[in-house]
Amino acid sequence: AQSVTQLGSHVSVSEGALVLLRCNYSSSVPPYLFWYVQYPNQGLQLLLKYTTGATLVKGINGFEAEFKKSETSFHLTKPSAHMSDAAEYFCAVSVQGGRRALTFGSGTRLQVQP
Amino acid sequence: NAGVTQTPKFQVLKTGQSMTLQCAQDMNHNSMYWYRQDPGMGLRLIYYSASEGTTDKGEVPNGYNVSRLNKREFSLRLESAAPSQTSVYFCASSEGGGSNQPQHFGDGTRLSIL
Repeated sequence: AQSVTQLGSHVSVSEGALVLLRCNYSSSVPPYLFWYVQYPNQGLQLLLKYTTGATLVKGINGFEAEFKKSETSFHLTKPSAHMSDAAEYFCAVSVQGGRRALTFGSGTRLQVQP
Repeated sequence: NAGVTQTPKFQVLKTGQSMTLQCAQDMNHNSMYWYRQDPGMGLRLIYYSASEGTTDKGEVPNGYNVSRLNKREFSLRLESAAPSQTSVYFCASSEGGGSNQPQHFGDGTRLSIL
């Protein structure tokens, strides 16, 4: 079975600073990896996904993530944080040939300081 | 374009009461899911339906039942509510066809059981 670990339940950055949210996965077969964002009192929105091909994936709102098989990681980054980025971020994994449901990490709440 | 619609948005129940959470999607998706979200635990899969006419248990199915009424609708029923079922419930859908498809989420139902 696959699993996801998100390091750091809370991350605080200053506006304009680099955002780095960490995600490590465990899977015995090649994974599909996703990042979702959740704003208060809303559902989850897809930021980006990695399925196959290019390991650097670009998503919405200036976010990107790099799939590193050797490190079993899929960290989310953004060069310059904006106040509107304050939200909770979830990393999720599924696997080829497995059930289509996602396995989620426990989430990282991003706070952006002015 | 409504996407995934969940009703109700909020509900308070007494222990032992029953209720049904409704979910409908208008994207002609084949697969639908029910998750629960608890603080510090991410989202956990309750049940899913890979296609119309099929349902399968997820990670935390005890105390719940589901019905895939048609391609659009997927309901979640609590037969005898317990305080441990206090949570935020999310319905999601995906095109199906593979576990690399992103899921689209509703805004959630916030359920409190006293």
